[in-house]
Amino acid sequence: GAVVSQHPSRVICKSGTSVKIECRSLDFQATTMFWYRQFPKQSLMLMATSNEGSKATYEQGVEKDKFLINHASLTLSTLTVTSAHPEDSSFYICSARGERAEAFFGQGTRLTVV
Amino acid sequence: GEDVEQSLFLSVREGDSSVINCTYTDSSSTYLYWYKQEPGAGLQLLTYIFSNMDMKQDQRLTVLLNKKDKHLSLRIADTQTGDSAIYFCATGPLVFGKGTRLSVIA
Repeated sequence: GAVVSQHPSRVICKSGTSVKIECRSLDFQATTMFWYRQFPKQSLMLMATSNEGSKATYEQGVEKDKFLINHASLTLSTLTVTSAHPEDSSFYICSARGERAEAFFGQGTRLTVV
Repeated sequence: GEDVEQSLFLSVREGDSSVINCTYTDSSSTYLYWYKQEPGAGLQLLTYIFSNMDMKQDQRLTVLLNKKDKHLSLRIADTQTGDSAIYFCATGPLVFGKGTRLSVIA
């Protein structure tokens, strides 16, 4: 299957700082990218959907000013957690979809805010 | 909103078949998916089925879709210890169930 690379896989940051997570589709053009958050022992929660070149569509309850999503090219989307707090600690996963129906997932980023 | 339900736990003996069930509410999904998540890892797409199909077989995996009942199942034949993971059912555009934790007993 297609490869989606997510970086970093783990990050620890201090409360109040911002963290950027990158999601790259390595061998296909991702017209749509999805960002998910997974709490311990829970399912994935869709945070936002972004189409290349346009603003992301955020799910209800997700603060767009806190979770900044940029999808500037067909192979790269970034999620920036701004002014991170301990409650933002979670596992964040991106997913990319091209022309075909299936979406491929990145490896996930475990964010710990101390 | 759309909802996807699946049982949380399943335990099977090595060599037996595993069947993971899922029900969903969104009947407009063109594709339905099964993903696997191993401990500490991201998600891996296992297989998917087009909504106008009843069954799809891919090696040890068999997906059955009952569109009338909005029921999707994943059967793993000859389950191995390496199949122990959490399995997520998902509808398009990617509404996930809570995941079924499959434990394989040697």
